[in-house]
Amino acid sequence: SQQGEEDPQALSIQEGENATMNCSYKTSINNLQWYRQNSGRGLVHLILIRSNEREKHSGRLRVTLDTSKKSSSLLITASRAADTASYFCASLGNTDKLIFGTGTRLQVFP
Amino acid sequence: EAGVAQSPRYKIIEKRQSVAFWCNPISGHATLYWYQQILGQGPKLLIQFQNNGVVDDSQLPKDRFSAERLKGVDSTLKIQPAKLEDSAVYLCASSSQRVGQPQHFGDGTRLSIL
Repeated sequence: SQQGEEDPQALSIQEGENATMNCSYKTSINNLQWYRQNSGRGLVHLILIRSNEREKHSGRLRVTLDTSKKSSSLLITASRAADTASYFCASLGNTDKLIFGTGTRLQVFP
Repeated sequence: EAGVAQSPRYKIIEKRQSVAFWCNPISGHATLYWYQQILGQGPKLLIQFQNNGVVDDSQLPKDRFSAERLKGVDSTLKIQPAKLEDSAVYLCASSSQRVGQPQHFGDGTRLSIL
């Protein structure tokens, strides 16, 4: 399967703690994107990092990219109960086709 | 701006029946995608349109699935006949003309095959 993998599969934390999710992909990329999916809803784009970038910030989100290891991580700082959702990385290669990972289910307890 | 609209939200059918899903992308978005998301997995691309032409349908099971995008706007995805393994959420997404831009997703159609 071309699908990337995410680690951990599930993560439970308390409000205020940080959450870190890792993603590995299989082919060379143009960019890597992170999406959030609330239960029963569609995916919402969070952040995009290009292959020549190593780190990017957006609000409480921090994304890193290591193209030599074909991996990325998403850090959510000071988590809130509203951050409870599934998070997916998606790699974009030369074919303009997004390949999604298997996702991390994040549960933030108030 | 209005988001990607999909209908119906839920559909229950028996195996071997047919079903159709409808998608209206964000106005002005040239690229439209249909994804299949099986429970517990990430979305898998079924077909990608650029305006009303097919860009990629390599993972579309063409013996039973078909899709069209008339006039380069709305799109329909059809399954005929349905199999038990087709139980999934079918997501539609759209993006602007530029390659690699973020995709905007609808809330999907949850299909259950009995």
